[in-house]
Amino acid sequence: EVQLLESGGGLVQPGGSLRLSCAASGFTFSDFSLAWVRQAPGKGLEWVSAIGGSGGGPQYADSVKGRFTISRDNSKNTLSLQMNSLRAEDTAVYYCAKCSGSCYSGAFDFWGQGTLVTVSS
Amino acid sequence: DIQLTQSPSFLSASVGDRVTITCRASQGISSYLAWYQQKPEKAPKLLIYAASTLQSGVPSRFSGSGSGPEFTLTISSLQPEDFATYYCQQLNSYPLTFGGGTKVEIK
Repeated sequence: EVQLLESGGGLVQPGGSLRLSCAASGFTFSDFSLAWVRQAPGKGLEWVSAIGGSGGGPQYADSVKGRFTISRDNSKNTLSLQMNSLRAEDTAVYYCAKCSGSCYSGAFDFWGQGTLVTVSS
Repeated sequence: DIQLTQSPSFLSASVGDRVTITCRASQGISSYLAWYQQKPEKAPKLLIYAASTLQSGVPSRFSGSGSGPEFTLTISSLQPEDFATYYCQQLNSYPLTFGGGTKVEIK
């Protein structure tokens, strides 16, 4: 059974940093691209970032480019999102998602339960 | 960036109704379109990928069609558990954008 478990969310001040993690199980981790998707309170879904199975080809939404860094540790089956220079508009539930192969031309076939990030003073 | 416009944004329907949701892409996306269902306080769930392929385990009352720029998600006979918000997503090119969502509520 595929499982994705996010952690690391919390309350952070504007300008601060936070690192999210996603622990994966139930599939051959390095064979699949992974992504982060966020959802601000009461709003729709926003794709944030994606990374290939080997860790190559990271992609970012313009809204987070230069501030967020996606990475993965295939030896620990863990996906991470380092978030720096956080802004109030980054407040959202952050979901980790597995792609069905590649994210590009595929789909997000499994999702974690999400972790809430609140940016506020 | 490719924009996805979903319509309607809100839909009121009864159990047993046939429901159709439309997603229009601002550029060509081939058939790289997925549909997701999200219930309150829950993660999204994949329903349809490649515009018309039903994800394993999803009931056959859900179907997808279209090949650009307009795609549709159809629920042939709405069930109580189908009341949720539905999103389309294009996976043709980065950034991977989502539509604004369609909330399906009980009439």
